[in-house]
Amino acid sequence: GQNIDQPTEMTATEGAIVQINCTYQTSGFNGLFWYQQHAGEAPTFLSYNVLDGLEEKGRFSSFLSRSKGYSYLLLKELQMKDSASYLCAVRDGKAAGNKLTFGGGTRVLVKP
Amino acid sequence: GVTQSPTHLIKTRGQQVTLRCSSQSGHNTVSWYQQALGQGPQFIFQYYREEENGRGNFPPRFSGLQFPNDSSELNVNALELDDSALYLCASSQQGSSYEQYFGPGTRLTVT
Repeated sequence: GQNIDQPTEMTATEGAIVQINCTYQTSGFNGLFWYQQHAGEAPTFLSYNVLDGLEEKGRFSSFLSRSKGYSYLLLKELQMKDSASYLCAVRDGKAAGNKLTFGGGTRVLVKP
Repeated sequence: GVTQSPTHLIKTRGQQVTLRCSSQSGHNTVSWYQQALGQGPQFIFQYYREEENGRGNFPPRFSGLQFPNDSSELNVNALELDDSALYLCASSQQGSSYEQYFGPGTRLTVT
């Protein structure tokens, strides 16, 4: 089975940086994903890590350490529109298909 | 993109419901997820080339179909109050794409 933990809620100020941590336990790790989900909307893909290290994409960066079962999503220069839920998801390479197991999501509230 | 219908649905406990999804063109795999309020999506099952290809911890009253025309269905029988959730489908291309594209979801309320 898989177990994914991430904080429930975080608050930050516009223009600041926020780091959302995700720890996981899985028997067949085959990639970690971060999704953004605004209230009432579908999750949208942010990043994918399968090798250790940092992946940077504009204001968003994602880091992975497979040996530690740990990832973080870094949001820089926060904007009000970044207020959303951020979902960490792990793909199980031993399961059929592209099955993703999601964490509970971290609600980020950006304040002016 | 991925589309789903209906957007919202209200059903009574014990009834049956069918939710529909149209995958992104060219994608041969569709996954269905249940997302309760304030929770992350939970994997229900996946279909690849019209066959079930993996299932999560959901009872048999959750069933699905995938059709050759990139559309699929999620059927839930004997609805329970706890089935109230957002149901998401996600399409992908098996073996060549690591990314799943989610539809907007169907909000099901069971009373």
